[in-house]
Amino acid sequence: DIQLTQSPSFLSASVGDRVTITCRASQGISSYLAWYQQKPGKAPKLLIYAASTLQSGVPSRFSGSGSGTEFTLTISSLQPEDFATYYCQQLNNYPRTFGQGTKLEIK
Amino acid sequence: QVQLVESGGGLVKPGGSLRLSCEVSGFTFSAYYMSWIRQAPGKGLEWVSYISISGSSIDYADSVKGRFTISRDNVKNSLSLQMNSLRAEDTAIYYCARGGGGYSGYDSRAYFDLWGRGALVTVSS
Repeated sequence: DIQLTQSPSFLSASVGDRVTITCRASQGISSYLAWYQQKPGKAPKLLIYAASTLQSGVPSRFSGSGSGTEFTLTISSLQPEDFATYYCQQLNNYPRTFGQGTKLEIK
Repeated sequence: QVQLVESGGGLVKPGGSLRLSCEVSGFTFSAYYMSWIRQAPGKGLEWVSYISISGSSIDYADSVKGRFTISRDNVKNSLSLQMNSLRAEDTAIYYCARGGGGYSGYDSRAYFDLWGRGALVTVSS
């Protein structure tokens, strides 16, 4: 199985900050990676797919990059509604696997 | 309205069975792979199973293989997950999700681009 390791697991930041979350895959997955946002008590929401393509309706302050084994999710200027948990997920192999999550909290 | 609505969750004893359903509306169900994904209380996301458009291709996580069965009805626009021999570690919110394969990895439809609100399954004596 492909393991996805996110760093950091917890991140404290302020509104307006630029933040970056990293996802490392245990083997190459080309660009077959997605990022999801999950708020408490809600289902996850697809933000980015194919490593860098913004899902329709997602604000442009979110961006993704990377290929192979290392990927990043960047939020250029944090807004209050961005405080949530973020997960990466690979589509290269079955079983589909997720990273352990990064909880983004207000400083 | 495009939506997925899960039902069938509840409290069950270890060793028992439960059947989850997911009713779909607002999109062409028969054009998408479908998946189940779960989340134990306070934990991360775990992919459970997927089923192809025709139902001819299916896979499961090792943790549920041999105990869970996924199925779909493209006429009734519904997805199901039959869960047998349930264990305490199966306690989770189970999400029905659109996608999980079937398209190029550069196509959003291959990813989990639509989720239901989830159904809570609690396995406890």
